Amino acid sequence: AQSVSQHNHHVILSEAASLELGCNYSYGGTVNLFWYVQYPGQHLQLLLKYFSGDPLVKGIKGFEAEFIKSKFSFNLRKPSVQWSDTAEYFCAVSYGGSQGNLIFGKGTKLSVKP
Amino acid sequence: DAGVIQSPRHEVTEMGQEVTLRCKPISGHDYLFWYRQTMMRGLELLIYFNNNVPIDDSGMPEDRFSAKMPNASFSTLKIQPSEPRDSAVYFCASSRLANEQFFGPGTRLTVL
Repeated sequence: AQSVSQHNHHVILSEAASLELGCNYSYGGTVNLFWYVQYPGQHLQLLLKYFSGDPLVKGIKGFEAEFIKSKFSFNLRKPSVQWSDTAEYFCAVSYGGSQGNLIFGKGTKLSVKP
Repeated sequence: DAGVIQSPRHEVTEMGQEVTLRCKPISGHDYLFWYRQTMMRGLELLIYFNNNVPIDDSGMPEDRFSAKMPNASFSTLKIQPSEPRDSAVYFCASSRLANEQFFGPGTRLTVL
């Protein structure tokens, strides 16, 4: 079955630390890849997406992600986190034949200490 | 565009009562999704529609749950009868083709 794995359940960092959140997906041919963020008490919002082209994708708020096809990975990075980045982060994948459905990972909660 | 609209934003009801959650997708979007989010189970896809037709309802927990999409601008998720374990935040999302999904603000349901 198609699946998305996020390696870390909860990450705690101090402000200015660098961030990398892992995401791996199961093989399934052509994929579109997404990272969503959910701030406390809010709904999911798109951070960035990859459909094709340059595998290094830049999103909002200084986030970026790199698609490594050989590793089936789409890790999220930020060089220097801020307290306001405290949120839950979800990786999601749509497969070529999925008719629009997204498969979400279970999410990684990020806590940034001021 | 107003984005995905959900109502009500909060619902408190007693066990056994019928609950109806409503969603208006973004105009022009042909996919609509219903999700449930809890601390224990995370984000779960319940059902999704394409052009108003249910495509996959395998995530619907049991027969107490039903969803309809009578037209392109409106969908409902109904729970009858409701139980305390149904307490969760229910999100509606819409998308165009296989692009990113846009989420509504959610309905926080509490069943006492």
